[in-house]
Amino acid sequence: ETGVTQSPTHLIKTRGQQVTLRCSSQSGHNTVSWYQQALGQGPQFIFQYYREEENGRGNFPPRFSGLQFPNYSSELNVNALELDDSALYLCASSLTGGHYGYTFGSGTRLTVV
Amino acid sequence: AQKVTQAQTEISVVEKEDVTLDCVYETRDTTYYLFWYKQPPSGELVFLIRRNSFDEQNEISGRYSWNFQKSTSSFNFTITASQVVDSAVYFCAQISNFGNEKLTFGTGTRLTIIP
Repeated sequence: ETGVTQSPTHLIKTRGQQVTLRCSSQSGHNTVSWYQQALGQGPQFIFQYYREEENGRGNFPPRFSGLQFPNYSSELNVNALELDDSALYLCASSLTGGHYGYTFGSGTRLTVV
Repeated sequence: AQKVTQAQTEISVVEKEDVTLDCVYETRDTTYYLFWYKQPPSGELVFLIRRNSFDEQNEISGRYSWNFQKSTSSFNFTITASQVVDSAVYFCAQISNFGNEKLTFGTGTRLTIIP
């Protein structure tokens, strides 16, 4: 059973650019959630996808968008990058909702300069 | 709205000492779930335990134990006979039974075990 895989592991972008982060969910999991973790903080919920549809969104602007594919993998896209977008982006998968617990990937460390 | 408070920002103890990490939660829901996650330097969040609001039994797993008390809205985590490998950031989190079941995290406690 493979876990959650995220790519790339590290990324440096310039302010104003766009970035795409990728996530492969754990085998058998149909729900993917994305979290942003700023340095020294707890992860903050960005949004969740269930069966290719957005199923809830946190307090993030529309320039944060996502996709889920038929194989349940997912992408997080961020447009018009700002310096404050620098953070660890964590992907988590679960089976139909998260109250049984989420499996997290190791994250993508995004640095915006 | 849900909120999780981890008042201890950093804790350092000498190896083999016991240590307790505090977690206080707030929610208006009667059904909710509480979690502890461990975040080593590699970054991924490692699931430790899940508790639902109807089960107040304490749990022990090896050197780890958890004390859930609804009366004080607390879900504390104790490591007995700590080891260097326990050094990490520990997060308490909760989910309500409604909506998208997003995790609401505390700010974490950085635990350092001194050899």
